Amino acid sequence: AQTVTQSQPEMSVQEAETVTLSCTYDTSENNYYLFWYKQPPSRQMILVIRQEAYKQQNATENRFSVNFQKAAKSFSLKISDSQLGDTAMYFCASPNRDDKIIFGKGTRLHILP
Amino acid sequence: EPEVTQTPSHQVTQMGQEVILRCVPISNHLYFYWYRQILGQKVEFLVSFYNNEISEKSEIFDDQFSVERPDGSNFTLKIRSTKLEDSAMYFCASSGGYTDTQYFGPGTRLTVL
Repeated sequence: AQTVTQSQPEMSVQEAETVTLSCTYDTSENNYYLFWYKQPPSRQMILVIRQEAYKQQNATENRFSVNFQKAAKSFSLKISDSQLGDTAMYFCASPNRDDKIIFGKGTRLHILP
Repeated sequence: EPEVTQTPSHQVTQMGQEVILRCVPISNHLYFYWYRQILGQKVEFLVSFYNNEISEKSEIFDDQFSVERPDGSNFTLKIRSTKLEDSAMYFCASSGGYTDTQYFGPGTRLTVL
């Protein structure tokens, strides 16, 4: 069964610092996608970044980038120059072959002023 | 930018009552999903819908649940007889293709008293 594991339940960093959120996954698929979603206190689910497994290049979206290690099945999210608005729950996720997204348990990130 | 919308944002109901949660997916999307998130827990898949029928459903999605696309724009989730444990945030999502990025709506917070 496809699994997504986030081992950091909670993290805190100072504003403007860089923070890395960890995620590991397990899948038997060769072609798959990985996502990071952000859930602020409003509880809306916002797509942060997407990575296709067949692409060797790590995805980047402004201050957000990933370190995708396919062999290690690792997919970490790096937030550079963190801002107060980055405070949220972050979920690592991946759709399985039945097209249902499997979410990790989330990492609660606090950006401190 | 097109987005998924959901109404209402918050629904309070008495145990045993029927509720209908409404979603308007992104207009050119073909795949539709419902997820739920019990407070403090991870997001769980409920059901996927394509070509006017259910593609996949989880064990959570029992006979009390049903989905419908009554017209060309709305996608609804009905809970026939709500239970206390149905209290959760319900997210609708849509995507343009199988295993494509799923875009989430802002969620409906359902409270069952």
